[in-house]
Amino acid sequence: DVVMTQSPLSLPVTLGQSASISCRSSQSLVHRDGNTYLNWFQQRPGQSPRRLIYKVSNRDSGVPDRFSGSGSGTDFTLKISRVEAEDVGVYYCMQGTQWPGTFGQGTKVEIK
Amino acid sequence: QLVESGGGLVQPGGSLRLSCAASKFTFSTYWMSWVRQAPGRGLEFVANINPDGSETSYVDSSKGRFTISRDNAKNSLYLQMNSLRVEDTAVYYCARRIMTPLFDPRGQGTLVIVSS
Repeated sequence: DVVMTQSPLSLPVTLGQSASISCRSSQSLVHRDGNTYLNWFQQRPGQSPRRLIYKVSNRDSGVPDRFSGSGSGTDFTLKISRVEAEDVGVYYCMQGTQWPGTFGQGTKVEIK
Repeated sequence: QLVESGGGLVQPGGSLRLSCAASKFTFSTYWMSWVRQAPGRGLEFVANINPDGSETSYVDSSKGRFTISRDNAKNSLYLQMNSLRVEDTAVYYCARRIMTPLFDPRGQGTLVIVSS
């Protein structure tokens, strides 16, 4: 299985500041169809995961443009600019290129 | 919309059948999957199924014990879980798609507790 490694695992941020989460995969996430199936999810306490970003950098409908995804191959980043209180939660990267899809350990974002 | 049900408390070695009722999208055209989350832990795929139900895949920990199925006429996804183990304790979510999965934003999943 593809191993997804996130860092940091805990991220205290100041309101209004930016935050970045790194995600590395144990092998390239480029699919034979040319797409890279790297997704980012946000999970608030007691809620199901909400997809924020799909295929590296495509923001889902309704997701604030403060969230952006980048990267290629095996290295990916989720950036949250101007962090707001509602951004508190756990963020997961997830690869869907190879079955079984696998998630990172999660990064807990909290407000300082 | 995806609404999971069927969870509960079961003894080790027991069985449960989970259901996922889908609405507001064309269920019969999507790959579907079950994803679980053990208490305080991360997310893990369990199984997936293709749109017409003819192809299924399982992770190693569920092979031979779990069976994923669907009824497109009823817009429903199922997970039959047999020979349950304590380590199967988790919230189980259904998701649309497998490569770029989508969960129900208001979904709570269904909690399975395996304990004696």
